[in-house]
Amino acid sequence: QKEVEQDPGPLSVPEGAIVSLNCTYSNSAFQYFMWYRQYSRKGPELLMYTYSSGNKEDGRFTAQVDKSSKYISLFIRDSQPSDSATYLCAMSASGGYQKVTFGTGTKLQVIP
Amino acid sequence: GAVVSQHPSRVICKSGTSVKIECRSLDFQATTMFWYRQFPKQSLMLMATSNEGSKATYEQGVEKDKFLINHASLTLSTLTVTSAHPEDSSFYICSAPEGVDTQYFGPGTRLTVL
Repeated sequence: QKEVEQDPGPLSVPEGAIVSLNCTYSNSAFQYFMWYRQYSRKGPELLMYTYSSGNKEDGRFTAQVDKSSKYISLFIRDSQPSDSATYLCAMSASGGYQKVTFGTGTKLQVIP
Repeated sequence: GAVVSQHPSRVICKSGTSVKIECRSLDFQATTMFWYRQFPKQSLMLMATSNEGSKATYEQGVEKDKFLINHASLTLSTLTVTSAHPEDSSFYICSAPEGVDTQYFGPGTRLTVL
């Protein structure tokens, strides 16, 4: 079993839809949770990070962490064609100075 | 957010040659940097942790003599792929922590070994 599981997609939605991206994990030591966006042939771009359980909102993006269920989510409201990319969840036990474990990424396509 | 650069962005080389990839933190100091490798349609896999002024720490299964890492200053880490072979063709990405919470990634270097 992988430490982090993420549905690879692809996920296709119409412009304006609410997108829900999810990951599950097995390592209860994970405390820091991140979402990255990666365009084709580019490095990952940090979208959001949260520490421990709870919600965090930034513009059209909302990240949720449920440690009791070992489940994290990223919601994108009013999705735009420019949101089309691969979204990677990532997590670590001790923050930025330690090993980060990535999900396989979900490829999202927002159709105009 | 913090900015991390990589050079070159793309390199094509012949089998048996060595290739050096640079990773720089542009507006902050990084005592630690990370090197990842990403094969097509796969996620990022950590190769090694680069530590300024000391030896790098390699993940299990990564050959330290093949992937030489030098962290010469607080803003620069280099990865040298020695005696490259076609199976080393991949997307190499570095990252650096800025603060304690997370890591910022460079734009990546696409290596193609002919």
